[in-house]
Amino acid sequence: QVQLVQSGAEVKKPGASVKVSCKASGYTFTSYDINWVRQATGQGLEWMGWMNPNSGNTGYAQKFQGRVTMTRNTSISTAYMELSSLRSEDTAVYYCARGDYGERGYYYYMDVWGKGTTVTVSS
Amino acid sequence: EIVLTQSPGTLSLSPGERATLSCRASQSVSSSYLAWYQQKPGQAPRLLIYGASSRATGIPDRFSGSGSGTDFTLTISRLEPEDFAVYYCQQYGSSPRGITFGPGTKVDIK
Repeated sequence: QVQLVQSGAEVKKPGASVKVSCKASGYTFTSYDINWVRQATGQGLEWMGWMNPNSGNTGYAQKFQGRVTMTRNTSISTAYMELSSLRSEDTAVYYCARGDYGERGYYYYMDVWGKGTTVTVSS
Repeated sequence: EIVLTQSPGTLSLSPGERATLSCRASQSVSSSYLAWYQQKPGQAPRLLIYGASSRATGIPDRFSGSGSGTDFTLTISRLEPEDFAVYYCQQYGSSPRGITFGPGTKVDIK
């Protein structure tokens, strides 16, 4: 079945970097975007950016520009999100989600989500 | 950047009742790019509605979406016990490209 499987929980110190992986299966990895969305405990959803796995093109939310890098390894259908200069406010669950334009490319929505990776930033 | 506002923040209803959730955008949004998600505690969000009014695969027909321009609505015709959750609206902008979410509406049991 179509799914995104994310890497396990991480604990990092302030100032460090974290790299979360997202392995796709059940569909052609290069045919759909991968978005990254995070959620702090008790808070709403915050979009971080997108990547086109085919071209490697990326786009980041302004808030994360300069701190986030999204990459992929097409040979293993895996996307990565690396966030640097971590601070306590980055403690959150990080989700990858497949972005789909739908039939005829008329829409955009995120229809498949990973279960999330908890990143805790603490000294 | 387009800002989405959702109301009410919390909706307290009983099973079987009708739920009407609002999503308002700070400027006009293409209906094609407006989606709704449901999230339960400890779970990832689940796509309910895309294109403002199209139900995603496997979504029951008690969920419906409507609206255009700056005002969009998610309606749950008769609440089932499993529908008590948080609902987010989301818009996609193509130029510049970006996605924003509303703050969410929590539907809880009265």
